[in-house]
Amino acid sequence: DAGVTQSPTHLIKTRGQQVTLRCSPKSGHDTVSWYQQALGQGPQFIFQYYEEEERQRGNFPDRFSGHQFPNYSSELNVNALLLGDSALYLCASRPRYNTDTQYFGPGTRLTVL
Amino acid sequence: RKEVEQDPGPFNVPEGATVAFNCTYSNSASQSFFWYRQDCRKEPKLLMSVYSSGNEDGRFTAQLNRASQYISLLIRDSKLSDSATYLCVVNLNNAGNNRKLIWGLGTSLAVNP
Repeated sequence: DAGVTQSPTHLIKTRGQQVTLRCSPKSGHDTVSWYQQALGQGPQFIFQYYEEEERQRGNFPDRFSGHQFPNYSSELNVNALLLGDSALYLCASRPRYNTDTQYFGPGTRLTVL
Repeated sequence: RKEVEQDPGPFNVPEGATVAFNCTYSNSASQSFFWYRQDCRKEPKLLMSVYSSGNEDGRFTAQLNRASQYISLLIRDSKLSDSATYLCVVNLNNAGNNRKLIWGLGTSLAVNP
């Protein structure tokens, strides 16, 4: 049983570019959350998806958008990249009605130059 | 005041030592609590949930004090492999029965030979 998978593992972009990160949840999980973790910080909640809709959102600008597909996989899109967007982007999944336990993917490390 | 606060450390302890971390939270409506472990450049992994009655898993003991609004993690007989960042997570029930996970910044532990 594969856990949460994310792609790519590493990515280097320049300011102003756009990026798409991908996440496949653990089997049996339908709820996907995205987090941004800057170096030396705890994860910051970006948003959560289930039933293909954004259900909750943290304090992130509209440059951050997402999507969830019928197979529960998800994408995080970031437009007009800033240097401050450099971080580890984590995807976490859980079954919708088990709100306590999340399983994290290995993350995508994004570097913006 | 931050919603979840942890002493960032680092805590440097010798092998075999007992070490304790505390985490305070500001919202008394917080409902469930967790400790996650994060190794360098890896994703967070659930270490243990924290129950009102306290719970123990081998060398690890977690406790919750609702009156003082803090949770603690005790590690006995520490091993080199315990070196990691320990993240405190608080689950808050929002309006509409949406749950919101709030993460601390983490406490860094280094166990030395």
